[in-house]
Amino acid sequence: DAGVIQSPRHEVTEMGQEVTLRCKPISGHNSLFWYRQTMMRGLELLIYFNNNVPIDDSGMPEDRFSAKMPNASFSTLKIQPSEPRDSAVYFCASSFGTARAFFGQGTRLTVV
Amino acid sequence: AQKITQTQPGMFVQEKEAVTLDCTYDTSDPSYGLFWYKQPSSGEMIFLIYQGSYDQQNATEGRYSLNFQKARKSANLVISASQLGDSAMYFCAMRENGNNRLAFGKGNQVVVIP
Repeated sequence: DAGVIQSPRHEVTEMGQEVTLRCKPISGHNSLFWYRQTMMRGLELLIYFNNNVPIDDSGMPEDRFSAKMPNASFSTLKIQPSEPRDSAVYFCASSFGTARAFFGQGTRLTVV
Repeated sequence: AQKITQTQPGMFVQEKEAVTLDCTYDTSDPSYGLFWYKQPSSGEMIFLIYQGSYDQQNATEGRYSLNFQKARKSANLVISASQLGDSAMYFCAMRENGNNRLAFGKGNQVVVIP
């Protein structure tokens, strides 16, 4: 298996633009997590899904952030409109049940 | 709500020595799992070791061992015989089996010096 695949690896966008981050979990995994990593806040859990259903989105910073998982093999995290303070590395991770989570390589987002 | 605490400042460790990284946690779920991940400067998250809340013995994986003290709610990572490649950020994480939520601590920075 290729592991968790995130795209793009790097994204530079202007303030106010819409940004969509993509994640393909490992086949057979039924849990998917989105994290944001910054120097100030560390690794924050934004939202997670079990069997494609969002379970807890309390970590989503505000209404500008939304996440979807239309099927077991794909998830998106959207920021609209983007702001400079959204600049961070965004990680997607997947797992089967309560086993260890496998992480993607991350998307480094820069909003200018 | 679950909470994971890693409060040590950055650490310098002499090569070949052992280092202990502290992690305390708080949860009301009786069934949970504890994880340690390593993040080198390249940025990827690498799984190191896992401890289940009902496991009777401390987990070990090669040079990594987990000092699990359930009553004190601590899950310290011990790295034996440090190598230069161990220089990285180390994250403690906990997953509550009741809701499957996986949350991380702030991390510990380790620098191994020759």
